[in-house]
Amino acid sequence: QVQLQESGPGLVKPSQTLSLTCNVSGGSISSGGYYWNWIRQHPGKGLEWIGYINYNGSTYYNPSLKSRITISVDTSKNQFSLKMSSVTAADTAVYYCARGVGVWGQGTLVTVSS
Amino acid sequence: DIVMTQSPDSLAVSLGERATINCKSSQSVLSSSNNLNYLAWYQQKPGQPPKVLIYWASSRESGVPDRFSGSGSGTDFTLTISSLQAEDVAVYYCQQYYNTPPWTFGQGTKVEIK
Repeated sequence: QVQLQESGPGLVKPSQTLSLTCNVSGGSISSGGYYWNWIRQHPGKGLEWIGYINYNGSTYYNPSLKSRITISVDTSKNQFSLKMSSVTAADTAVYYCARGVGVWGQGTLVTVSS
Repeated sequence: DIVMTQSPDSLAVSLGERATINCKSSQSVLSSSNNLNYLAWYQQKPGQPPKVLIYWASSRESGVPDRFSGSGSGTDFTLTISSLQAEDVAVYYCQQYYNTPPWTFGQGTKVEIK
């Protein structure tokens, strides 16, 4: 049973870079032809898809965030990561990682504040 | 981008009664190559990540009670809870994952007990 777990700082200062990692357990990130996604949810709001890295390393980002984000994979650690630069208070949200549409992490709250 | 619009935004249903949520996409999410609709339904309870209920518009995820069903094709989709239970109180989202991202979500529908 594949499980995903997000990790990273819960507090980031404005203008800095948010860095999150999603650890994948119970299966290899390199197999299965999956899309490895980042999604966020602003407090009390709906879901916003951030981007993915797929099984062959290709990435696709939400155009609204594209200039600020990078998603990468580390197959040796069986994890993938999100970096978001120049954050503002508007980036305060719960960040989820997900495999395809079926398996989600528990989410991690990131607050952007000085 | 494909815009997903859910209706209603909220609904209150008596225990044991039927709940119906609609989702309309701004363009078709039906693939002509495999005749699959790239549409998923999620349930989200407070403090929890979204849980997939339905994928390919009508395929129920393993372990999901059979009172949940999905239907529709092309641009119009429906999630039906045939007999609402207390544990079904949640926010429900549709998501399209068709072709080129971004993979967009509906705004959510809050289901409550009348």
